[in-house]
Order: sequence, then C-alpha cells, then structure tokens
Amino acid sequence: QVQLQESGPGLVKPSETLSLTCAVSGYSISSGYYWGWIRQPPGKGLEWIGSIYHSGSTYYNPSLKSRVTISVDTSKNQFSLKLSSVTAADTAVYYCARSTRSDVDIWGQGTMVTVSS
Amino acid sequence: QSALTQPASVSGSPGQSITISCTGTSSDVGGYNYVSWYQQHPGKAPKLMIYDVSNRPSGVSNRFSGSKSGNTASLTISGLQAEDEADYYCSSYTSSSTLSVVFGGGTKLTVL
Repeated sequence: QVQLQESGPGLVKPSETLSLTCAVSGYSISSGYYWGWIRQPPGKGLEWIGSIYHSGSTYYNPSLKSRVTISVDTSKNQFSLKLSSVTAADTAVYYCARSTRSDVDIWGQGTMVTVSS
Repeated sequence: QSALTQPASVSGSPGQSITISCTGTSSDVGGYNYVSWYQQHPGKAPKLMIYDVSNRPSGVSNRFSGSKSGNTASLTISGLQAEDEADYYCSSYTSSSTLSVVFGGGTKLTVL
C-alpha cells in the first residue's frame, strides 16, 4: 500500500522560504510516476504547484515557477518542496501527491502552512 | 494559466442523477483525453474518481461516469446517495505555457 506523508513547519514568516518534505512508503520513487505538490487555500479550490518525474525532470505552475523548487532524494525515498518569498497568499493546505502525466492517484493527508509574522 | 470553469454548486435528491460540467480550451480539455475528476469531503484529501476522461479507478462506484465533448468535460453521478455530498474538482493536462496540470474551481454537490 503506497502512502505519502508530508512534514515541515506549520508557520512561516513573510518573505521567508517554505520547506516541506514528503516521505513515500510502499513504492520506490525511482521506479516511476511523477511526484508533486498541490495546495488549497482555506475555503478555496485546488492549485497545482508542480511535479518532478522519477528521472528528475521538473514541471512547475507558470504562476509560481520563479519561486518554486521541487527535488527528489531517492536514497531516502522522499521528495521536497521549497517556495521562496512567501506572503499571506501562500497560506494553504499543502498536499504531496503521486501522479501520472495528468491525474493524481495517491494523495498525502495534507499539511496546513500559515504565513504570518 | 486559467482555471477550468465549473458551476459553483449543483444539487439533487437521493436516487436522482446530476451532471457537473468542466469547460476549458483546446489547450487543455479539448486537446487531450487527460481529464480527471476528484471528490473531496470536508477536511479530507481529494480522491480520484475518474481519469483519462471516462475511466474509473478500482474501487470507485460505477454510479460515477465521465465524458467529454469539445472543450467541455462532464461528470455524471447516478443514483445519488447522501455520501456523494462533497466538493468535486476536474483537472486536465495542459500544454499552455509549460507542461502542467490545471484544476477547475470546484463544484459543491448538495444531496437534498
């Protein structure tokens, strides 16, 4: 059974960098699929942030591309998100996910990140 | 990239059928057979209900079905049940700008 678990600070100060990690169990990241991040501001809809292919190729939402980095650590079977220069608009539940080219078949439980001083 | 367009809300009575639309462009919904639908209950992670326009993952009820015509995809739920009350999101692969995925704004389904 494939499981994803997000971890990281729940509170980040404005202008700082948000960093989250997703630990994968039950499947080896290097075996395939895309691994990515999706967020959901309180009371709002889903927003795709970006993903990384098992080979290392990355794909980012154009509206966030200048601030986002997604990386993979195959030795730890985990992948990470870094979002720089955060503002209150980045406050959201952040989900890590396993996907094919276009659909997410496995979701993490989500972690709430608040941007506030 | 613009979000796909969904109605904000739909409703139906138990046993009835409802359809949720998802309108995009030729760069996403209309250009590829890569439309997905997700169900999200409050406080929970979304769940994949339909992928590649009309395919159901293992374990998803056959009361859920998907289709597409031109730039608009649709999710139909037949035999509505109380537990179907949730938010539903569509998504599509998109070739606009860079390789990426775009979501719809979401539709709140109320079972009356």
